[in-house]
Amino acid sequence: LAKTTQPISMDSYEGQEVNITCSHNNIATNDYITWYQQFPSQGPRFIIQGYKTKVTNEVASLFIPADRKSSTLSLPRVSLSDTAVYYCLVGDRKAAGNKLTFGGGTRVLVKP
Amino acid sequence: EADIYQTPRYLVIGTGKKITLECSQTMGHDKMYWYQQDPGMELHLIHYSYGVNSTEKGDLSSESTVSRIRTEHFPLTLESARPSHTSQYLCASSGAGRAEAFFGQGTRLTVV
Repeated sequence: LAKTTQPISMDSYEGQEVNITCSHNNIATNDYITWYQQFPSQGPRFIIQGYKTKVTNEVASLFIPADRKSSTLSLPRVSLSDTAVYYCLVGDRKAAGNKLTFGGGTRVLVKP
Repeated sequence: EADIYQTPRYLVIGTGKKITLECSQTMGHDKMYWYQQDPGMELHLIHYSYGVNSTEKGDLSSESTVSRIRTEHFPLTLESARPSHTSQYLCASSGAGRAEAFFGQGTRLTVV
């Protein structure tokens, strides 16, 4: 599995856009990039998955450059309820194909 | 809403007791996982299963054991609980063809 590196923490304010970059220099050709969100005392929740260029859903956007050695999760106009830990995972597109190993994640604190 | 359930949500138990943490999912997923997470710390994969009669150890060594006799059920057992086992235990499942894994609400175990 490709190793991922994310910032340990980020602070932001309500209404701002938050961008979290994940480095995955050893990503394999068949690997996808998946992001999860975890609130305190809860299990992680799937946010978004992508392979290249840009993916957008109702929650976030995922930007992946051509070399795929990094990716950026973008949370538009965050609110206090977006305070959580965000995990970047790299592996098989289908979760069932992975061991599903989580790293340390990025702790995002949204301030009023 | 994910159909994966963990019981109990909270458990306080004395040292030396045998305990079983229950995890059930009604989505027909083949892959199931157990994670251990201390407050504010990383999620550590301790066990996973590809399907019935399949169990594998995860990345973090654990004294717990698991079984997978039925697709929907993946219980975790500690034969003799110790204070070092105090932690949150999270169960997850993923299905063929799906990008995401679904997590239960977790069991917070305290061994006194």
